[in-house]
Amino acid sequence: GIQVEQSPPDLILQEGANSTLRCNFSDSVNNLQWFHQNPWGQLINLFYIPSGTKQNGRLSATTVATERYSLLYISSSQTTDSGVYFCAGAYNQGGKLIFGQGTELSVKP
Amino acid sequence: EAGVAQSPRYKIIEKRQSVAFWCNPISGHATLYWYQQILGQGPKLLIQFQNNGVVDDSQLPKDRFSAERLKGVDSTLKIQPAKLEDSAVYLCASSLDRTETQYFGPGTRLLVL
Repeated sequence: GIQVEQSPPDLILQEGANSTLRCNFSDSVNNLQWFHQNPWGQLINLFYIPSGTKQNGRLSATTVATERYSLLYISSSQTTDSGVYFCAGAYNQGGKLIFGQGTELSVKP
Repeated sequence: EAGVAQSPRYKIIEKRQSVAFWCNPISGHATLYWYQQILGQGPKLLIQFQNNGVVDDSQLPKDRFSAERLKGVDSTLKIQPAKLEDSAVYLCASSLDRTETQYFGPGTRLLVL
């Protein structure tokens, strides 16, 4: 079946450090989203990025659709960035998102 | 703009009991999704509606789960009877259309004892 793989599974950073999270997907996507799940379980939209590059403050994302991967960059990390980051892809114009297993980020003060 | 609303936020029941969850999507969103998130995993789609019609329910355990979206707005998801393995967070999401950004509600945490 269609697979979404994220790496690394866990990441511990010191406040102020930068990081890169990776998402590989096994088939072409028509929707690719990055989410941050906070400690209360809320899934917060970060980017809708089936291709190209977007930036929002300290966060940016790049999807290279032809090579089937997406990257999420977090710069100058803060303790509030802690939580689990998910990427999810949808295929065949269907809408159903297939989620990766997530990257658990912990930012220490 | 109001987000996706869900209730209840928490529910504890005993196995074999029934439970229902409610979702109110963002106004104007045609597509509504129910996902199940088991602890330590990413969410998994249970059912997808386009207006009030079912688009995908291939992973819905239909012997115990049912869902409806009457009038193409609010939706309810029901489990009857519940099993221990149904303990999870049930997330509702909506989007303008199938290929658009999906926005998630706060979820309902279900514990089956």
